[in-house]
Amino acid sequence: QVQLQESGPGLVKPSETLSLTCAVSGYSISSGYYWGWIRQPPGKGLEWIGSIYHSGSTYYNPSLKSRVTISVDTSKNQFSLKLSSVTAADTAVYYCARVAVAGTDYWGQGTLVTVSS
Amino acid sequence: EIVLTQSPGTLSLSPGERATLSCRASQSVSSSYLAWYQQKPGQAPRLLIYGASSRATGIPDRFSGSGSGTDFTLTISRLEPEDFAVYYCQQYGSSPAITFGQGTRLEIK
Repeated sequence: QVQLQESGPGLVKPSETLSLTCAVSGYSISSGYYWGWIRQPPGKGLEWIGSIYHSGSTYYNPSLKSRVTISVDTSKNQFSLKLSSVTAADTAVYYCARVAVAGTDYWGQGTLVTVSS
Repeated sequence: EIVLTQSPGTLSLSPGERATLSCRASQSVSSSYLAWYQQKPGQAPRLLIYGASSRATGIPDRFSGSGSGTDFTLTISRLEPEDFAVYYCQQYGSSPAITFGQGTRLEIK
């Protein structure tokens, strides 16, 4: 059974960098698939942040591209998100997920990140 | 970037009724890369339909998807109490911008 688990600070100060990690179990990232980050502001809809392949190829949402970096560590079977220069608008539940041709089929439980001083 | 517009915003129905949810794209979407998700409060989204019409593993057959080009539909044939949730469509064929619709809230009438 594939499982994903997000981890990282729940509170980030404005202008700082948000950093999250997604640990994957039950499947080796090196075996394939894209791996992605999605966020959801409180009470609002879903927004795709970006995706990464095990080789390191990345795709980012154009609206966030200048602030986003997604990386992968196959030795630890995890991938990470960095979002720089955060503001209150970046407050959201952040999900990591596996991206397949057959849809985004496995999701983490999500972690709330609040941007506040 | 492909914009997905879902309608209605809220749908009020009773258990046992049929639900029809719409997703319209601003430009043509490959049917192979159109998905539907269900989200309940406090939970991550769950994949229901991929490739516009294929049910994901473990999804009951009362859920069905159809459509092509710019118009797609999710149908729930007979609503069960556990089906009341928010539903999102997603297109994931036009990298780099994978996009979601704004969601349809299905509520009990």
